[in-house]
Amino acid sequence: AQTVTQSQPEMSVQEAETVTLSCTYDTSESDYYLFWYKQPPSRQMILVIRQEAYKQQNATENRFSVNFQKAAKSFSLKISDSQLGDAAMYFCAYRHTWNTGNQFYFGTGTSLTVIP
Amino acid sequence: GAVVSQHPSRVICKSGTSVKIECRSLDFQATTMFWYRQFPKQSLMLMATSNEGSKATYEQGVEKDKFLINHASLTLSTLTVTSAHPEDSSFYICSATSSPETQYFGPGTRLLVL
Repeated sequence: AQTVTQSQPEMSVQEAETVTLSCTYDTSESDYYLFWYKQPPSRQMILVIRQEAYKQQNATENRFSVNFQKAAKSFSLKISDSQLGDAAMYFCAYRHTWNTGNQFYFGTGTSLTVIP
Repeated sequence: GAVVSQHPSRVICKSGTSVKIECRSLDFQATTMFWYRQFPKQSLMLMATSNEGSKATYEQGVEKDKFLINHASLTLSTLTVTSAHPEDSSFYICSATSSPETQYFGPGTRLLVL
């Protein structure tokens, strides 16, 4: 089974600074998708960013960007100019492209605190 | 777009009763819906995968007779917790896919069984 590892249970960042959340995964596939989801205190899961494994270019969404290292099976999330609203649990997730069941594999999460 | 709703958002019930949770995709047709359970400060645990018009596929260790899933249409899936007990108290989240790549999540349902 695929595994997704987030080695940082908790992280903190000063407001307006940059923070990087780590994620590694294990797979024997060459085509897959990777995601970062945010879960604020409301517990609503929100898609932050998505990366297709066949794309070499790192995905970006405004202040959020990823560093996708396919050979190293690493998928880190960088949050620039951190804001108080960024405080949340962040989950890294993996999905096969061929899996018609669409099952996602989630990491254990990283709790991000933003310090004013 | 890609909004998923859940109802109710919070429910308290007595032990032994059944509780139904609805998951709806509001602005898209979802061929597949998922049901997760999340304990405090933990990750999401997939319970079952639900495809419209067919039986749900349950993950290992999830009792299908206890957690009944019905996916009656492309926009509605329901999870019924039968004969609920205090250990079933948890946060239940559904998600739906409109495209193969991404899951969109509902806001979750907090179940408390007394």
